[in-house]
Amino acid sequence: GEDVEQSLFLSVREGDSSVINCTYTDSSSTYLYWYKQEPGAGLQLLTYIFSNMDMKQDQRLTVLLNKKDKHLSLRIADTQTGDSAIYFCAEILRYSGAGSYQLTFGKGTKLSVIP
Amino acid sequence: EAQVTQNPRYLITVTGKKLTVTCSQNMNHEYMSWYRQDPGLGLRQIYYSMNVEVTDKGDVPEGYKVSRKEKRNFPLILESPSPNQTSLYFCASSLSSSFSYGYTFGSGTRLTVV
Repeated sequence: GEDVEQSLFLSVREGDSSVINCTYTDSSSTYLYWYKQEPGAGLQLLTYIFSNMDMKQDQRLTVLLNKKDKHLSLRIADTQTGDSAIYFCAEILRYSGAGSYQLTFGKGTKLSVIP
Repeated sequence: EAQVTQNPRYLITVTGKKLTVTCSQNMNHEYMSWYRQDPGLGLRQIYYSMNVEVTDKGDVPEGYKVSRKEKRNFPLILESPSPNQTSLYFCASSLSSSFSYGYTFGSGTRLTVV
């Protein structure tokens, strides 16, 4: 498909691991990002991965990249109630003749953490 | 504090009354962009700017204008707002268009057009 795709909802129990999946569109995308949006707030860059990496770990966050399948995932270990938010996957999708890039977002996955 | 500042945070207006949403960043970023966020549609890019006096259309530019006369400011102009422009708007900036540093987002402007 032409869109960055994510499932819309995920519900997990506090203390469990959360895995949010994303399928992106352009295998030549150089950077892939995860953003977090808390209620009433803007988007906050959570982490990113360069396309020549398979995995990136940052404290409770693990990003896995499967370039062959154009699949990106975000794993949150020991999920807390404060992790409840919408998580957006994003890729650099388009390169225009003017030398510009466009950052394209998925529709977001709403993570609900049950105490 | 490094930030992107949007104003106003909330705005209710009537159809056809011109309005401007301001966006300012204090990080000397070259790249700035406007998005709108709608339920079920995620974030869609309206306009972007690679540098001063350089702007281009995103995916949903109809009904909007922008200008980039100074590096720090990137206002979004709705000349004749309509109810289908009711949305949550975000301004964002980045050091460069290659996005290796990611975007910094403003806190959003919730616009209602009645």
